[in-house]
Amino acid sequence: AQSVTQLDSQVPVFEEAPVELRCNYSSSVSVYLFWYVQYPNQGLQLLLKYLSGSTLVKGINGFEAEFNKSQTSFHLRKPSVHISDTAEYFCAVTPGSSASKIIFGSGTRLSIRP
Amino acid sequence: DTGVSQDPRHKITKRGQNVTFRCDPISEHNRLYWYRQTLGQGPEFLTYFQNEAQLEKSRLLSDRFSAERPKGSFSTLEIQRTEQGDSAMYLCASSLLGQGLYGYTFGSGTRLTVV
Repeated sequence: AQSVTQLDSQVPVFEEAPVELRCNYSSSVSVYLFWYVQYPNQGLQLLLKYLSGSTLVKGINGFEAEFNKSQTSFHLRKPSVHISDTAEYFCAVTPGSSASKIIFGSGTRLSIRP
Repeated sequence: DTGVSQDPRHKITKRGQNVTFRCDPISEHNRLYWYRQTLGQGPEFLTYFQNEAQLEKSRLLSDRFSAERPKGSFSTLEIQRTEQGDSAMYLCASSLLGQGLYGYTFGSGTRLTVV
């Protein structure tokens, strides 16, 4: 079975500062990895995904993430955050052999201070 | 294509009542998923359909929960004899078979409050 751990429940950061949201996963098989964003009272929106190939993946809104197989991590980064990035961010995983369902982490609330 | 639609957006019900939620996926998507999200938590998988067939159900889906997708299009999630612990956001998502690797498209959810 797969699981996802998001190490920080909340991350406060000043506007225009860089940010990293941490994600570690556990799986006995190869996996595909995702980051989703959820704005207040809305559904989830896909930010980026890692399926294969380059370990550095770029997504929407200037976010990027790096897949590290040896550390089983998939941390999300942005070099300079904006007030509009305030949201909940979820790391997620699905087994590579059969994309039956996506398993989500507990989320990290990113709050941007002006 | 208007995305994934969920109805209602909000539902307040008294404990013990039955409730039913509806999800309309993207029209060409043959996979449909239900998730539950409680405050401060990530979405938890409940069940999913491929066309009209229900292929997997989570242990979270007690006997009081039932989901259907009768014609492989829209889906309903019914909760019987609601309990306060059922209060949550219920999210629906859809994808194309084989395209789920590219991520699901989520609806805005139905927020259930049991009083």
